Amino acid sequence: DAKTTQPPSMDCAEGRAANLPCNHSTISGNEYVYWYRQIHSQGPQYIIHGLKNNETNEMASLIITEDRKSSTLILPHATLRDTAVYYCIALFGNEKLTFGTGTRLTIIP
Amino acid sequence: GAVVSQHPSRVICKSGTSVKIECRSLDFQATTMFWYRQFPKQSLMLMATSNEGSKATYEQGVEKDKFLINHASLTLSTLTVTSAHPEDSSFYICSARLGGGGPDTQYFGPGTRLTVL
Repeated sequence: DAKTTQPPSMDCAEGRAANLPCNHSTISGNEYVYWYRQIHSQGPQYIIHGLKNNETNEMASLIITEDRKSSTLILPHATLRDTAVYYCIALFGNEKLTFGTGTRLTIIP
Repeated sequence: GAVVSQHPSRVICKSGTSVKIECRSLDFQATTMFWYRQFPKQSLMLMATSNEGSKATYEQGVEKDKFLINHASLTLSTLTVTSAHPEDSSFYICSARLGGGGPDTQYFGPGTRLTVL
């Protein structure tokens, strides 16, 4: 799997968009970018994944740069329930997930 | 869709006893499931890959005789912690892989908190 780099922590005001960056400069052409989050004392929750194109679902948007060396997860209107550790993972489609340290996102009231 | 359940959600046991944790994919079939362990303030660590109808594949450093995995059906995998000791106290989380029509996605259970006295 390509190594990913994320800031250890971020704050975001409630109601604002939360933009979480991820660097994956060594990503290969067939590796997907997956995002998961883990709310305290719960199992990780799948958010979104993408290969080349930007993706959007009911939870978030994923913006991948044209060179695919970085991406941004966007939570459009952050709520207190979005406080969690967010993991950006690059891997081939059928590989097993391994987790780094992620970004601890705190939503401020 | 893609719901994974675990049972029990928490368990307390005495040192030396064995504990079984069940992981079920409720609305899809999963030929592959995974078991993770998470210690306080640490990230998830993959323990093993559970394959339906075949032996599990363990990550380096994980004792296969201590952490018994059985994947008897396409919707159920079990992890048995044998002769549990206090150092086995941890948060155990399973996931099931959903495939078909694109890259596979792993969906996670809610976790089981094991405390060994």
